[in-house]
Amino acid sequence: AQSVAQPEDQVNVAEGNPLTVKCTYSVSGNPYLFWYVQYPNRGLQFLLKYITGDNLVKGSYGFEAEFNKSQTSFHLKKPSALVSDSALYFCAVRDMGGYQKVTFGTGTKLQVIP
Amino acid sequence: GAGVSQSPSNKVTEKGKDVELRCDPISGHTALYWYRQRLGQGLEFLIYFQGNSAPDKSGLPSDRFSAERTGESVSTLTIQRTQQEDSAVYLCASSLLDSYNEQFFGPGTRLTVL
Repeated sequence: AQSVAQPEDQVNVAEGNPLTVKCTYSVSGNPYLFWYVQYPNRGLQFLLKYITGDNLVKGSYGFEAEFNKSQTSFHLKKPSALVSDSALYFCAVRDMGGYQKVTFGTGTKLQVIP
Repeated sequence: GAGVSQSPSNKVTEKGKDVELRCDPISGHTALYWYRQRLGQGLEFLIYFQGNSAPDKSGLPSDRFSAERTGESVSTLTIQRTQQEDSAVYLCASSLLDSYNEQFFGPGTRLTVL
């Protein structure tokens, strides 16, 4: 079975400061990892993904995430937060083997304070 | 091209009535997912259609819930004898079948059961 944990329900950060949204995962094989964002009253949008190769993945809106196999983590980061980054962020994992469903974390609400 | 579309966008029904929600995936996307998102909550997996294979129905919460998909096109999610706890936003997503592909989400159907 595969699972995803987002240990923080909410993260508050001041505008201009770096932000980190945490995600850890568990899969039996090798993972495909994803981050999605849900802005208020809007649908979910894909941000970035890790498939293979470089552990640091860059995505939309200046976000990046670092895959750490030994710590089974895929934390989302941004060097300088914007108020417009305030949204709900979901981490998701899929086992590389077979056509398994994607498993989503419970979501982390990011609040960027002006 | 067009994204994932869902209809209706809003549905208000009375307890005990049946409802049918529709999802039109992106053309060529052989994988299709249904999720439920209660207010302020994360994504709850319902069902996954994967090409011509048998669907993964492991997330359907009760036998009042069912879903069908015609080939690689439209999917309908049916909720029979609706209950107030069924009130939520129902999200549909589609993707190319390979495991590393991200999902594209529709805008959702907001279901309110009175």
